[in-house]
Amino acid sequence: ETGVTQSPTHLIKTRGQQVTLRCSSQSGHNTVSWYQQALGQGPQFIFQYYREEENGRGNFPPRFSGLQFPNYSSELNVNALELDDSALYLCASSSLIDRVPSSGANVLTFGAGSRLTVL
Amino acid sequence: QQQVKQSPQSLIVQKGGISIINCAYENTAFDYFPWYQQFPGKGPALLIAIRPDVSEKKEGRFTISFNKSAKQFSLHIMDSQPGDSATYFCAASMWAGNMLTFGGGTRLMVKP
Repeated sequence: ETGVTQSPTHLIKTRGQQVTLRCSSQSGHNTVSWYQQALGQGPQFIFQYYREEENGRGNFPPRFSGLQFPNYSSELNVNALELDDSALYLCASSSLIDRVPSSGANVLTFGAGSRLTVL
Repeated sequence: QQQVKQSPQSLIVQKGGISIINCAYENTAFDYFPWYQQFPGKGPALLIAIRPDVSEKKEGRFTISFNKSAKQFSLHIMDSQPGDSATYFCAASMWAGNMLTFGGGTRLMVKP
């Protein structure tokens, strides 16, 4: 069984640049979500993708965008980077059937994250 | 807007003691309340979860207590072990575990 894998693990960018983070879902999972975890804080929900469409979004500006591919892998793109974007970006996968969790107790499986530093 | 408030921020417990972490929520539409455990350099991992139709759930040394009227829930770790030293997050969801709203986290240290 493969878990959720994210790349890169660490990266450094400067203000105004753009970044793309990648995520491979756990085998059998069809839904992916992204979270931002600032240092010393809890993760904050960015958005969720199901069947290659965004089907939920947290309080993040449009410069945060994403993609989900037919193999359920995903990308998170952040444009016009700001210093406050420095954080650990977590990808999580889960399984939905017709937008309903496939099991009564839905489990999000998180990757280890990509740590972004914006200078 | 912080919809899930967690306390304490940090906790030190002796080996064999009981660790208690508390959370309070505001949105009554939440219907799923998980606890996640995170070790340094790792992503959060689901520890235990509860729905509001029960007041308590126990799995091994971990117990969730849920008070719907007070909009509060807590995690109790019995017989705490040094290996339990990690950051714990409570969370809440309106959609069965997806689109989670997390608390701020509690850093637990269990002293041998």
